[in-house]
Amino acid sequence: QIQLVESGGGVVQPGRSLRLSCAASGFTFSDYGIHWVRQAPGKGLEWVTVISYDGSNNKYADSVKGRFTVSRDNSKNTVYLQMTSLRAEDTAMYYCAKDLGRRYYFGHGVCDYWGQGSLVTVSS
Amino acid sequence: EMVMTQSPATLSVSPGESATLSCRASQSVGSNLAWYQQKPGQAPTLLIYDASSRATDIPARFSGSGSGTEFTLTISSLQSEDFAVYFCQQYNRWPPWTFGQGTKVEI
Repeated sequence: QIQLVESGGGVVQPGRSLRLSCAASGFTFSDYGIHWVRQAPGKGLEWVTVISYDGSNNKYADSVKGRFTVSRDNSKNTVYLQMTSLRAEDTAMYYCAKDLGRRYYFGHGVCDYWGQGSLVTVSS
Repeated sequence: EMVMTQSPATLSVSPGESATLSCRASQSVGSNLAWYQQKPGQAPTLLIYDASSRATDIPARFSGSGSGTEFTLTISSLQSEDFAVYFCQQYNRWPPWTFGQGTKVEI
């Protein structure tokens, strides 16, 4: 079955960095874009970034552009989210999610499978 | 940025009744609209995409309709496991892909 497992979350001070990982299994990883979506405590869903199936293209939300970098290693079926210059407002559960569309450069846009999330808390 | 507005914020229904949730887009999104369900402490799950197509293994009591700027998710004969928060999401104009603020369906 399709699984996505996030890791790397934790408590970090403002201005510091953190890297999240998303390990995938159960599907042809190199054929699908992967999104990161976050959810602040008690709030709604906010799309963060997407990386194309081959890692050659990506898009970011304005709120994280220039601070977050998404990458992938198709040999390891893993996507990474490098987060720098973290702010209190980045505190959230971070979910990685598989895109519905096969070999869409920026993704179809629909997230058909989600991981359980990794909690990032930015606090001094 | 495309703004998605859901109503109502909270919907109180009884098991066995039906529920109608609304989602409005600030501009036309065609049929590029998805619905997700999120239960407490869990990740969202995909229910509907392309406005009316049910995702894999989603029961037929969930149905979606609409196009352009007005969309509806209908849950017929609510089961206990259907009490959750529901989000709509547009994928017509991006980035960013945007979500509504959610509708909580409660007993």
